[in-house]
Amino acid sequence: EVQLVESGGGLVQPGGSLRLSCAASGFTFRSYWMSWVRQAPGKGLEWVATIKGDETDNYYVDSVRGRFTISRDNAKNSLYLQMNSLRAVDTAVYYCARDRVPESYGDMDVWGKGTTVMVSS
Amino acid sequence: DIVMTQSPLSLPVTPGEPASISCRSSQSLLHSNGYNFLDWYLQKPGQSPQLLIFLGSHRASGVPDRFSGSGSGTDFTLKISRVEAEDVGVYYCMNSLRAPLSFGGGTKVEIK
Repeated sequence: EVQLVESGGGLVQPGGSLRLSCAASGFTFRSYWMSWVRQAPGKGLEWVATIKGDETDNYYVDSVRGRFTISRDNAKNSLYLQMNSLRAVDTAVYYCARDRVPESYGDMDVWGKGTTVMVSS
Repeated sequence: DIVMTQSPLSLPVTPGEPASISCRSSQSLLHSNGYNFLDWYLQKPGQSPQLLIFLGSHRASGVPDRFSGSGSGTDFTLKISRVEAEDVGVYYCMNSLRAPLSFGGGTKVEIK
């Protein structure tokens, strides 16, 4: 069964750091682009970052560039999001998602259940 | 950056009746390969989003054929031929042409 399981969320103070993880199973992880998408409380979906299967390419939304880093460990079938200098506006449920085809990003066809990040003093 | 705009914001529907959601992009999503890079997602209450339609009109695996996507360039439509109770939730369109990927604001579909 294809599955994504996020972890690492929690309560952090403004300016703090957090590292999210996503454990993948049931597919050839290293072949696929992977993404993080977030959803603030009561709000819509916002794409955060995307990384290529071989880690040679990645993209970020402007609001997190320079503060967040997407990475992966293909040997461990894991995706990560290192979040630094956190702000209250980063409070959200963070979803890990697989991009549908190995050759390109977009079309996210497998999603995890999400992990909640709350930034508050 | 590509901005996605959906309408309506809310859509009350009657089971068995058709429903339609519009999505407009600020730039063309038509790639030189002839495909429109536009996705539709559904987020049911309390659940993660799920992919319904990719490349403008292609149903994702397991999606019932009552869902269809159409349009090209900057104007797109998601249609449900006969709404069922399980179709309630928030529908999002998304630019999948190039980063930054961007979602529309969402359309909440609820049963009348």
